Amino acid sequence: QVQLVQSGAEVKMPGASVKVSCKASGSTFDNYYIHWLRQAPAQGLEWMGIINPSGGDSSYAQKFQDRVTMTRDTSTSTVYMELSSLTSDDTAVYYCARVMFRDHWFDPWGQGTLVTVSS
Amino acid sequence: DIQMTQSPSSLSASVGDRVTITCRASQIISSYLNWYQQKPGKAPKLLIYGASSLQSGVPSRFSGSGSGTDFTLTISSLQPEDFATYYCQQSYSTITFGQGTRLDIK
Repeated sequence: QVQLVQSGAEVKMPGASVKVSCKASGSTFDNYYIHWLRQAPAQGLEWMGIINPSGGDSSYAQKFQDRVTMTRDTSTSTVYMELSSLTSDDTAVYYCARVMFRDHWFDPWGQGTLVTVSS
Repeated sequence: DIQMTQSPSSLSASVGDRVTITCRASQIISSYLNWYQQKPGKAPKLLIYGASSLQSGVPSRFSGSGSGTDFTLTISSLQPEDFATYYCQQSYSTITFGQGTRLDIK
């Protein structure tokens, strides 16, 4: 059964970039997509984008189009989400989540990574 | 983007109560509607997919219904572990979530 394990909490200065990892254990990079979402403190869930780990192709929400990059390393079954030009509004818990090909729901989710942007 | 509106935003109930949460989409989304439960400090957990299919391992007291624009999540008899925040999510087009319904103990 696949598990998604994310990297640890980060504290960044405004204007910096952050790179969060999501490692899939118990499964190869076949037949699913990885999505990234975030949740600001006491707020709802926001979708950021999707990457196909086997092919490497990705698509981003328009809001993040100019400053997010999603990549993968097939040798370690790890996907990455890098967000640049951080502001305090980017303070949030960032999640990765799996969607199987031909499915339309998120399961499982990573445990979340808190990114704090503060001077 | 499709707007998802949940009601109520918060709800107080007692163990054993029957609870219904509603989710309305701003346009028709067929049955591309999923429900998640989130507890404080934890990632969301899938409960219902495709509007009415129960995810494996989820207790049968949870059920979902609806299609088109109007959907409901029902918990038939609340258990102590059910007090959490619930989100609906549409996957018909660019993914969006409802604002959440916080369910707490009366």
